[in-house]
Amino acid sequence: RKEVEQDPGPFNVPEGATVAFNCTYSNSASQSFFWYRQDCRKEPKLLMSVYSSGNEDGRFTAQLNRASQYISLLIRDSKLSDSATYLCVVNGRGSTLGRLYFGRGTQLTVWP
Amino acid sequence: GAVVSQHPSWVICKSGTSVKIECRSLDFQATTMFWYRQFPKQSLMLMATSNEGSKATYEQGVEKDKFLINHASLTLSTLTVTSAHPEDSSFYICSAYLSGTSGRDTQYFGPGTRLTVL
Repeated sequence: RKEVEQDPGPFNVPEGATVAFNCTYSNSASQSFFWYRQDCRKEPKLLMSVYSSGNEDGRFTAQLNRASQYISLLIRDSKLSDSATYLCVVNGRGSTLGRLYFGRGTQLTVWP
Repeated sequence: GAVVSQHPSWVICKSGTSVKIECRSLDFQATTMFWYRQFPKQSLMLMATSNEGSKATYEQGVEKDKFLINHASLTLSTLTVTSAHPEDSSFYICSAYLSGTSGRDTQYFGPGTRLTVL
């Protein structure tokens, strides 16, 4: 079983739509969770960290369910510039502290 | 946020040559850096963990004699692809680990190096 599983999509939505991505992770001891964004032929960039209480950053809302080992990202009022691949990322623990485990990524295309 | 640079950003070389890629943390010290490889339409695959002053830890299936890693200082790690072949053509990305407060550590990625081996 992979450390991080994501729905690869693709998701194709019109501008202004709300879209949600889901992710599950296998290591219950993981402590840090992130969503990264990767544009085509570019490096991943941190979109937001995911905290236990859930957190919001503008149009983006991240949720964490530790019991279900489930992470989500909600994008409201989608913009054309939101088109990218969204990576669910979980950190390692113990001997692998600092190591990040990446999901395969969910591709989003926002059309006008 | 923290800045990580990579050099070169792209390189084209002939089969059999060696290519060195540098990864630098510009405004912080990173005892740990990571090297990833990404093939088209695939996710990042961790190749190795680079620790300053010690040997790198390679992931299963990654040849340590082919991908030489040197982390000589707290701000610089290098990856050398020795005797490169066309199948080594890929997007190589480094990241630097920054330990945060309250366990909120994260990694900052370099812009990547696109290697094409002819």
